[in-house]
Amino acid sequence: GAVVSQHPSWVICKSGTSVKIECRSLDFQATTMFWYRQFPKQSLMLMATSNEGSKATYEQGVEKDKFLINHASLTLSTLTVTSAHPEDSSFYICSAPKREGQDTQYFGPGTRLTVL
Amino acid sequence: SQQGEEDPQALSIQEGENATMNCSYKTSINNLQWYRQNSGRGLVHLILIRSNEREKHSGRLRVTLDTSKKSSSLLITASRAADTASYFCATDSGGSRLTFGEGTQLTVNP
Repeated sequence: GAVVSQHPSWVICKSGTSVKIECRSLDFQATTMFWYRQFPKQSLMLMATSNEGSKATYEQGVEKDKFLINHASLTLSTLTVTSAHPEDSSFYICSAPKREGQDTQYFGPGTRLTVL
Repeated sequence: SQQGEEDPQALSIQEGENATMNCSYKTSINNLQWYRQNSGRGLVHLILIRSNEREKHSGRLRVTLDTSKKSSSLLITASRAADTASYFCATDSGGSRLTFGEGTQLTVNP
């Protein structure tokens, strides 16, 4: 069964609104989670590393004020796309290593965001 | 930024044939992983090969790694229509941050 869940699985919003996406580890605790973005027919791009109890680490070129990440508990990280625009429409995927330092990661099923 | 390049970008074969996908990367790595993604879905981890390993098998999958050439290959033997998906390599250079290749779209025709 799934070990990482995301909610919602898809969302449509109007331009200028904010959208929150949740990523949960289901049967394990994750001090670190990762957020990726995938445009149609393209690969995954790492956006940021979510760290439980501390600030997220953003990749170069990713606006931290636009993509707010909160990792308030050991099983939940949230990504908020603020003031969304059509160019933010994408597939957002989170992942988490099942054990601290373990190489294998588990990916969530993704969230399809469409901004009108 | 993406450091992985994969070829071919698209591969179409008949059921029962073998499929080979290649991946190249640019920096040193701790491990390299292969993932599968069905259209519009999340990723499924297939296999991980560490930097000190040269070959690994899992069922119908065979992965090779050549760190001197910074390249890896994924072989799927006796392909099935259900193997139709996009396949991505991803490198881990430390800290579990993965850098994905561009992906290969595999189509297996029945």
